[in-house]
Amino acid sequence: DQQVKQNSPSLSVQEGRISILNCDYTNSMFDYFLWYKKYPAEGPTFLISISSIKDKNEDGRFTVFLNKSAKHLSLHIVPSQPGDSAVYFCAATMNTGFQKLVFGTGTRLLVSP
Amino acid sequence: NAGVTQTPKFRVLKTGQSMTLLCAQDMNHEYMYWYRQDPGMGLRLIHYSVGEGTTAKGEVPDGYNVSRLKKQNFLLGLESAAPSQTSVYFCASSYSRAPLHFGNGTRLTVT
Repeated sequence: DQQVKQNSPSLSVQEGRISILNCDYTNSMFDYFLWYKKYPAEGPTFLISISSIKDKNEDGRFTVFLNKSAKHLSLHIVPSQPGDSAVYFCAATMNTGFQKLVFGTGTRLLVSP
Repeated sequence: NAGVTQTPKFRVLKTGQSMTLLCAQDMNHEYMYWYRQDPGMGLRLIHYSVGEGTTAKGEVPDGYNVSRLKKQNFLLGLESAAPSQTSVYFCASSYSRAPLHFGNGTRLTVT
């Protein structure tokens, strides 16, 4: 049972345009959500997070939106840059702590010049 | 500041062989984790530790054992490797309720 789903395995965007990566979850107990970025042959690195008490969190070019009623979150990257090309993982956890972090399957983003 | 260091980076085992993956962190984090990443499956938690001397099972613990004898180290053992354990293994560490810091992974192939 996949509790965190990223239904798009890949996404291609032109440099300068907006990239929108989507994530759906099924467990209504999740209260904290994170996005990680992963380059080949490296470990995932933390990008941005959002608590369930918010519906938006922004950090530079990255914004995460949370729609609790739809159990959906999205990551917007504006403007997209070639260096953003990576695999992006959505993850979720409950107030039990990060030892129960549940990851999605990832979306590979390719930003072309 | 090395962060989270995993050794080895690559390993090939034959079915039935044993090995230990070592994870070391220099950030004084209490929590440490072992994940495996498989195609189409995302990252799945194998075992984790909330402090020196403690370990707990994650989502996919079967076939693995762990030990946390020192705060900075978290060992993952495979007693009798199986082809189903072919995967990329990631170690991570964190403070409580803080984003995880990951190592660069160990690619294990079991033939």
